[in-house]
Amino acid sequence: EVQLMESGGGLAQRGGSLRLSCAASGFTFSDYWMNWVRQAPGKGLEWVANIRQGGSERFYVDSVKGRFTISRDNAKNSLYLQMDSLRAEDTAVYYCARTPGRTRFFDTWGQGILVTVSS
Amino acid sequence: EIVLTQSPATLSVSPGERATLSCRASQSVNSDVAWYQQKPGQAPRLLIYGASTRATGIPVRFSGSGSGTEFTLTISSLQSEDFAVYHCQQYNKWPPQYTFGQGTKLEIK
Repeated sequence: EVQLMESGGGLAQRGGSLRLSCAASGFTFSDYWMNWVRQAPGKGLEWVANIRQGGSERFYVDSVKGRFTISRDNAKNSLYLQMDSLRAEDTAVYYCARTPGRTRFFDTWGQGILVTVSS
Repeated sequence: EIVLTQSPATLSVSPGERATLSCRASQSVNSDVAWYQQKPGQAPRLLIYGASTRATGIPVRFSGSGSGTEFTLTISSLQSEDFAVYHCQQYNKWPPQYTFGQGTKLEIK
């Protein structure tokens, strides 16, 4: 069964840091672009970042550029999101999501992990 | 940035009836639109990609149409499990700046 499972969320101070992890199973992780997508409380979805299969290309939404870093370890079937200089508006449920093949939508999602940034 | 506007924000429909949800893009995205279903406390689930292709395992009562700037998700005969929030997403540009609509809540009338 294809599965993604996030961990590492919780409460962080404004200006602080947090690192999210996403463990993949049931598929060949190294074959896929991977993404982080977030959802603020009561709001819509927002794509945050993605990373190419081998990690050579990474892209970010403008609001997190210079503060967040996406990375992956294909040997460990894991995706990461290092979040620095956190702001109150980063409070959200963060999902990791898979992009199939050469497409650019998201066919598999993790259950999500809550990140709360307090002031 | 391409802005997606979904309408209506909330749609009240009776079980067994048809539901039609709209998604409008601020500029052409060709057919690069996906639709997702999200139930409370759950992750989104892919329904439609390429504006009209059903994802694996999605019932035939779900259909998508449109191209350019106007897109529609139709649920032909609503079942109880279909009441949820629906999101559209565009993925037309590269480098990626994928954007979502604000969602339409489909509720029981």
